[in-house]
Amino acid sequence: KAGVTQTPRYLIKTRGQQVTLSCSPISGHRSVSWYQQTPGQGLQFLFEYFSETQRNKGNFPGRFSGRQFSNSRSEMNVSTLELGDSALYLCASSPGSKGEKLFFGSGTQLSVL
Amino acid sequence: TQLLEQSPQFLSIQEGENLTVYCNSSSVFSSLQWYRQEPGEGPVLLVTVVTGGEVKKLKRLTFQFGDARKDSSLHITAAQPGDTGLYLCAGVPTGANNLFFGTGTRLTVIP
Repeated sequence: KAGVTQTPRYLIKTRGQQVTLSCSPISGHRSVSWYQQTPGQGLQFLFEYFSETQRNKGNFPGRFSGRQFSNSRSEMNVSTLELGDSALYLCASSPGSKGEKLFFGSGTQLSVL
Repeated sequence: TQLLEQSPQFLSIQEGENLTVYCNSSSVFSSLQWYRQEPGEGPVLLVTVVTGGEVKKLKRLTFQFGDARKDSSLHITAAQPGDTGLYLCAGVPTGANNLFFGTGTRLTVIP
């Protein structure tokens, strides 16, 4: 069974640009969660999608948005990039119940210059 | 202030030594999970503890869930270089809907 796939693996952008990250969950998993990981703040929850609907949302500004498609694949978008958005963005999938184990992808390392 | 505080933040030990990592909160959790993350990879689940006072063993790793379900510990016996990584506890506090992660403990085991 293929794991969670995130693309691209690395990304370099400049301030003010926007970026779209992609996540393909494990086959059969309907929930996709996104986390931001930085050395200072650790893993911070961005949002979770289940059956194409945002089910939960963390405390991030509206510049961070996401969506989920009918095949459970998910995208995350960050607009008007800031230097502080530099981070590892991790996607995780699960079958669907709250609090169950998450299967993480390898992440997208975003650098904003 | 983070919901789940881990200590120590950094730990560097010699191969063969024992160590304990702590995960503490003022909130109650129905269960707590422990993950390990290696460089360049996402976290991988090690164990889930569900019952207050529960102890689970995974080879040289022993996980304990506090009686009040507010804290947990991870003990590693005879650490090996392959244990090197970032250890994260995580849980869904009562009333919340998403998984919160601890501040992390970065372990380095020197051969």
